[in-house]
Amino acid sequence: DQQVKQNSPSLSVQEGRISILNCDYTNSMFDYFLWYKKYPAEGPTFLISISSIKDKNEDGRFTVFLNKSAKHLSLHIVPSQPGDSAVYFCHGGGATNKLIFGTGTLLAVQP
Amino acid sequence: EAQVTQNPRYLITVTGKKLTVTCSQNMNHEYMSWYRQDPGLGLRQIYYSMNVEVTDKGDVPEGYKVSRKEKRNFPLILESPSPNQTSLYFCASSTGQETQYFGPGTRLLVL
Repeated sequence: DQQVKQNSPSLSVQEGRISILNCDYTNSMFDYFLWYKKYPAEGPTFLISISSIKDKNEDGRFTVFLNKSAKHLSLHIVPSQPGDSAVYFCHGGGATNKLIFGTGTLLAVQP
Repeated sequence: EAQVTQNPRYLITVTGKKLTVTCSQNMNHEYMSWYRQDPGLGLRQIYYSMNVEVTDKGDVPEGYKVSRKEKRNFPLILESPSPNQTSLYFCASSTGQETQYFGPGTRLLVL
């Protein structure tokens, strides 16, 4: 039972344009969601989070939107930069002590 | 410097030969966790620990053991490795279940 799904395994965008990464979940009990970024040969690093009581959280070029009725969250990166090229994981938590990650989306930002 | 360390970073072994991957954090975090990353499957939690002497199964615990005798250390033990345990392994720690700090990863090949 994959409680958190990222249906797009990869995404390619032009430098300067918007990148939108999507994540769907099935567990209504998640208290918060986080996005992590992972470069090759490194561990994931925290990027941005959102509480389930909010619908938007912004941090510089990164904005996460949460649509609880649709059980959907998205990460917007504006403007996209080549250094943003990485694998992005969404993750829900709080429902249990387990932490559930999505399968990841590989973002490639073309110069 | 706050960090999570894992050793070894790379390991090639043979089926059935017991091995241990160490994980240590210097941030006095209560929560520690092990994940494996496989193509198309994202990050899957193997085991987690809420504190010393408190461990519990994640989503894919079969074939693994852990222990938490000290707060800073959380070793992952493969008693009898099999080829399907060939993967990239990450250890992580956090104060709660939110922002996690990941180690650099251990790439394991079981022949």
